[in-house]
This record gives sequence, structure tokens and C-alpha cells, in this order.
Amino acid sequence: KAGVTQTPRYLIKTRGQQVTLSCSPISGHRSVSWYQQTPGQGLQFLFEYFSETQRNKGNFPGRFSGRQFSNSRSEMNVSTLELGDSALYLCASSLGTDSSYNEQFFGPGTRLTVL
Amino acid sequence: AQSVTQLGSHVSVSEGALVLLRCNYSSSVPPYLFWYVQYPNQGLQLLLKYTTGATLVKGINGFEAEFKKSETSFHLTKPSAHMSDAAEYFCAVRGNTPLVFGKGTRLSVIA
Repeated sequence: KAGVTQTPRYLIKTRGQQVTLSCSPISGHRSVSWYQQTPGQGLQFLFEYFSETQRNKGNFPGRFSGRQFSNSRSEMNVSTLELGDSALYLCASSLGTDSSYNEQFFGPGTRLTVL
Repeated sequence: AQSVTQLGSHVSVSEGALVLLRCNYSSSVPPYLFWYVQYPNQGLQLLLKYTTGATLVKGINGFEAEFKKSETSFHLTKPSAHMSDAAEYFCAVRGNTPLVFGKGTRLSVIA
């Protein structure tokens, strides 16, 4: 069974631009979560989606948004990029209605560099 | 609210020596606890998890962890380190909020 895939793997943008990252969960998984990983702040939770509905949102500004499609694929968007948005963005999928009871499987991440 | 503290951002051990990575948590509800490993340029892989039941949890690659409620700890151990264990390790807790991760501990294994 294919794992979680994230595209693109690497991305370079300039300040003020916007970016869209994509995540395809493991087949049959309906829950998708996004995390931002930086050397200074570590791993921080961004969003969690289940069946196209956002279930939880982390403490990030409104420039960060996401959505989930009917096939469980998910995208996240960052508008008006800032230098501090440079990070590894990780997507994780899990099976059920409450991912605390189900293992989250992580993708390899998208490394975003903002110049 | 939940929080995780990993003691030691970098731990070095000799090959064949005991690995001990420390994790203390705070949770207002009974927690679910996890250890993840991250190799360079890769995502996170689950090593083991504690949900309910037996407090000594065995994971992959010979790792295990013990949930000690009285000490609010979930330390990760492996009896004998291997070169392939060199990676970054993250402890995480989930209670009534999404996963909260510790800052991570980088494990170096010296030949």
C-alpha cells in the first residue's frame, strides 16, 4: 500500500508570494493533519481534517489555510509569505474519526524556503 | 492542555551501549503518548505508543518505553545502540487536543 505522498518535495518562493502544498493520504485514510517543523519552534500543529471538515486548528495566523477534498486529499495554502514561513511542512494521515486512537502516518514533507 | 519536555537536545552513546531518551509530559486528561523517529530528509515514523493497558510498551527496532503516571514520564530505551539508530527522536502527547510534540533529541551513535 502506498504511503503518504506530498508534493512538491522542495519549493522556493519569495516574500509576498503564496504557495499551495498537496498531500495524498494512504488509501482508505480519512483524516489528514498538517504540521510545521522549524529548528526554533520544533513541530507545531497546523490543521486537522476529517471528511472534508476542519476538526482542529493550531495557533497560526489566517494566512495559513487548508482544505480537504472528497477523495481525502488535502491542500494547504500560505498567502503573503514571510521569511519565517521557511520550514518543513509535514502531512499525516490516519484511519478513523479520532486520530488520537489511530496511528498517524507521516509523509516525507515539503521543504519550503522563502527568500 | 498538554505539553512535552524532552531532556537533552543531543545524546551521544557508544555502539552497543544503552540508549535512554527522556520524556516528561503534562496533561489535564489521561494521555496518549508516542515516540517518533525522524531520519534526515524524511518524515516521522512511529516507534511505539501508549494508549491504555500495559505500561511497558515495546516498539520497533528494539525500542521500548514505560509509562509512569506518578512521574509523568515516558522514557525511551534500547538495550544496545546500533549505528542505524542515529536520528532525531520526538516524544508526543495527545489528550483532548491534537498531537503536541517535544523539541526532539538528536541521538548520535559512536563506533
